[in-house]
Amino acid sequence: NAGVTQTPKFQVLKTGQSMTLQCAQDMNHNSMYWYRQDPGMGLRLIYYSASEGTTDKGEVPNGYNVSRLNKREFSLRLESAAPSQTSVYFCASRPGQGIAGNTIYFGEGSWLTVV
Amino acid sequence: DQQVKQNSPSLSVQEGRISILNCDYTNSMFDYFLWYKKYPAEGPTFLISISSIKDKNEDGRFTVFLNNSAKHLSLHIVPSQPGDSAVYFCARRKLQFGAGTQVVVTP
Repeated sequence: NAGVTQTPKFQVLKTGQSMTLQCAQDMNHNSMYWYRQDPGMGLRLIYYSASEGTTDKGEVPNGYNVSRLNKREFSLRLESAAPSQTSVYFCASRPGQGIAGNTIYFGEGSWLTVV
Repeated sequence: DQQVKQNSPSLSVQEGRISILNCDYTNSMFDYFLWYKKYPAEGPTFLISISSIKDKNEDGRFTVFLNNSAKHLSLHIVPSQPGDSAVYFCARRKLQFGAGTQVVVTP
């Protein structure tokens, strides 16, 4: 029962390098999300996708791009990594927009360090 | 503009006692609030939720109280157990999260 799977789990990048964080969910959820977690800041939404084919900016989208490849997969790309993007990244999904679909399911996190 | 605030970054409680975690929010209309629990090196997991048409929801040792007039909700854990040591996030339906409260339950 995989749930939300994200890769890689750990990554070290040099400033200016690019990389893509991959995320897949096997729960047939409509909505998918990317968050970052920083000390004292909680979970901040980077981008989300309410349904296949749509993406929208969250609270902190600068420096990131996303692709909702299909219903299962939602990737996050850093085009030119900066030290300020050192963080723990969480992918998440939830069934839909209504009350019944309010519970969000998280992946295990990806630890990214930019040096 | 953080619309969900957890003002206590940490809480230490003895095993068997009550843990009370607080959360304040702004700009409320009909809404739905959730609590998530996070262990180190794991993703957050859903714990309990409450709709703003209710003032209390209970699930085993966990109870969430909602005061709409004060725009305040709290999570009570009774009795606290060492396995409850984790970071707890409150969130609202639009997936705005608080900064989290680190709970440490000591034997």
